Order: sequence, then C-alpha cells, then structure tokens
Amino acid sequence: GAGVSQSPSNKVTEKGKDVELRCDPISGHTALYWYRQSLGQGLEFLIYFQGNSAPDKSGLPSDRFSAERTGGSVSTLTIQRTQQEDSAVYLCASSRTALGIQYFGAGTRLSVL
Amino acid sequence: AQSVTQLGSHVSVSEGALVLLRCNYSSSVPPYLFWYVQYPNQGLQLLLKYTTGATLVKGINGFEAEFKKSETSFHLTKPSAHMSDAAEYFCAVSDLTGTASKLTFGTGTRLQVTL
Repeated sequence: GAGVSQSPSNKVTEKGKDVELRCDPISGHTALYWYRQSLGQGLEFLIYFQGNSAPDKSGLPSDRFSAERTGGSVSTLTIQRTQQEDSAVYLCASSRTALGIQYFGAGTRLSVL
Repeated sequence: AQSVTQLGSHVSVSEGALVLLRCNYSSSVPPYLFWYVQYPNQGLQLLLKYTTGATLVKGINGFEAEFKKSETSFHLTKPSAHMSDAAEYFCAVSDLTGTASKLTFGTGTRLQVTL
C-alpha cells in the first residue's frame, strides 16, 4: 500500500482480555517501530524491528506486552491481560532503512474498560 | 539519555500571524531533530528534519526551523498562520546509538488558529 496501515482503528476490550494490534508497513521498508500515545505519558517508544536482527524491546512497559514481525513485513503487537492504564493510541511507523525517515500509520485507539 | 521540552502545551494565533512553537532538546551526541504534525484522528506527518549541514531547515506547508546548538533549541516557525495549520505539533530527537533511530518526543503543542 501507499502508507502504513494499522488495524483495527479502534478497539474496545474488557480488563483482563488479550488484544492484538496489526501493522502493515510500507512495502520495502526494513525498519518498523511501535509507539504508544497516551494522555499521561505522551508519545513513547515501545519496540523496534530491523531486518532479521533481534528486536529492540527496551521500551516495552511490562512483560504483558510482546510483538513479532513475520517475514520482515507485517507486525503484531500483543497485550495480554489488559489493564485500564493500557488505554492509549498505539502508533506504528516504518522506514526504508534503520536511520531513515519514519512514516506513521493512523494508529489503533485501544480502550480498556 | 535524550529529552525534548516543548514550551507551551497550547498556542493560539490569529490567521495571518506569525507561528512560533518552541522546542529545546538535551542530547549527549549530535542530535537529529524533527518536527511532526498530527491532525485529529491521524498519524504523525513529518514537517521537517535537521541532520547535519545548514541549520535553517525548510519543510512542508511553509514551516521552517532553525537549529541553534548554543541554545539547544529547534523552534518551529511560519510567517503567516492559516486555519488549516490547526493541529498538534511534536518535536522529536533521534537516538542514533546502535543501529536504531528511536524517536524521543516532546509532549506536544496544540496550535489553535483563530479568525
């Protein structure tokens, strides 16, 4: 596609449920990032994938958060046992190279009730 | 560790007036600096970036920013505001340690443009 695509655009879940958020990066982009945008914390880095290298998970807030990137393309961010503080907009970005300009998707708005 | 401070969470200007959004950064290495704009229910769009070279950087939609190392600043300006400029603006610094380009963002400035 022409841009970074994220699905779903909105997700409402109950506390304690697991959720999966999907990101389709721009074709040919080797680097993929996940960020979280919340009222209390602003925009914060979560995790980064580059090619076949091990991901940089340094921004994940707890072990309930995990992500994978299959075939160097689509990525899924999984949040287990969701908590109300997980409510936020989750943004995905991709770049052509590790140091390239990051292009952002529209995000997934997660609401945990 | 890197950090970004944006002074003023809300800025209001009249249409046609100068826009000035302030950004100060802290970095232990030469920084790469960015301004992104976010319209409601949309992702972030890059306005402009500074890497090396010329310190005055021109971006899209008539915006520009000047890197001032002595002041650790990267303020965003536009000579004449337009109603369509109303959005939230984020300043960011890039962490280029290792192989990643992780962005550290400021808290954002919401720009309101009035008639």
